[in-house]
Amino acid sequence: GAVVSQHPSRVICKSGTSVKIECRSLDFQATTMFWYRQFPKQSLMLMATSNEGSKATYEQGVEKDKFLINHASLTLSTLTVTSAHPEDSSFYICSATGDSYGYTFGSGTRLTVV
Amino acid sequence: KQEVTQIPAALSVPEGENLVLNCSFTDSAIYNLQWFRQDPGKGLTSLLLIQSSQREQTSGRLNASLDKSSGRSTLYIAASQPGDSATYLCAARNYGGSQGNLIFGKGTKLSVKP
Repeated sequence: GAVVSQHPSRVICKSGTSVKIECRSLDFQATTMFWYRQFPKQSLMLMATSNEGSKATYEQGVEKDKFLINHASLTLSTLTVTSAHPEDSSFYICSATGDSYGYTFGSGTRLTVV
Repeated sequence: KQEVTQIPAALSVPEGENLVLNCSFTDSAIYNLQWFRQDPGKGLTSLLLIQSSQREQTSGRLNASLDKSSGRSTLYIAASQPGDSATYLCAARNYGGSQGNLIFGKGTKLSVKP
């Protein structure tokens, strides 16, 4: 079945630094990738949608300059959290789809900003 | 605006019991509905996807039903096992909007006691 690899699974960074999270579709071409954020005991909240070769579409309230998304190929999308602050600490999950059928999710990244 | 609700928020059952998890959605014009499993600190694993034209899907001990008219979906787990312990999320995808527009419930945390 479809597999999405997300890396790193866990990262701790200092306040003010930037962190890059990678999301790769391993056995299919992901025309669209999505980035979600999940707070403890809460639903997944869509942050942005990225299509290969074009700019990401951000959901309302998500800062474009803070959460940089690049979808440079059909198998890779990256999310960079710039100038991270403690309030950016969260669980970030990507998903990918190659068609309009279903979505495959990555294993998530636990970001802790200290 | 689509809203997805899952009841109960938490459920604890003894091993071997059959159980039902509930999911309700406010907008019946869905494209499909998907059930996921999430283990602590992990990403999402897709369990079952039901297209809007379907009434149910089965995979092993899992059976998911969909009743669009009443805005409900159920996930039935037969002969529960301790390994089934996890948080179960349902997500509705509407027609139109971004393809990433999966609206998630907050999940039901299931604990199966040996």
